[in-house]
Amino acid sequence: GQNIDQPTEMTATEGAIVQINCTYQTSGFNGLFWYQQHAGEAPTFLSYNVLDGLEEKGRFSSFLSRSKGYSYLLLKELQMKDSASYLCAVRPSGAGSYQLTFGKGTKLSVIP
Amino acid sequence: DADVTQTPRNRITKTGKRIMLECSQTKGHDRMYWYRQDPGLGLRLIYYSFDVKDINKGEISDGYSVSRQAQAKFSLSLESAIPNQTALYFCATVDSSATDTQYFGPGTRLTVL
Repeated sequence: GQNIDQPTEMTATEGAIVQINCTYQTSGFNGLFWYQQHAGEAPTFLSYNVLDGLEEKGRFSSFLSRSKGYSYLLLKELQMKDSASYLCAVRPSGAGSYQLTFGKGTKLSVIP
Repeated sequence: DADVTQTPRNRITKTGKRIMLECSQTKGHDRMYWYRQDPGLGLRLIYYSFDVKDINKGEISDGYSVSRQAQAKFSLSLESAIPNQTALYFCATVDSSATDTQYFGPGTRLTVL
């Protein structure tokens, strides 16, 4: 089975940097996704990591350590529009690889 | 135009009624998914489909049924709605050629009274 943990809520200041952590325990692993979801809207794809290391994409970066079952999403130069929930999702390997397991999401509030 | 559309966007119904939620996509993806989202519980998979003839149950399929009418259309039915099916429902399509990224529709907010 899969178990994914993320903090429920975080608050950060506009212009600052924030790191959102995700830990997972899985019976097999074949990649980890990060999605952004504004309140009442659809989740939108941010990043995908399958190998260890840091993937940078503009203000957003995502890190993965497979041996530690750990990922984080790093948001730099925070803007008010970054206030949203951030969902970590794990793709298992094997027969279940078509079913993502989502964490419950981290609600980020950016304050002036 | 949006690549993944859902109808209706909002629906209020009564216990015992039959409800159908529809999803259409123009992305040309083979795989389509239905999720529900509840506060504090995250996204949970109801059903998914590889093509018209291949339907699979997800984590929480009880009380739901689906129909894949065409590659581009995947509908979710609640045969006899109950209040604990009140939730936000999302359809998603998957690009199987790359990283299996899921692309979500705008969602349907369903309230069962």
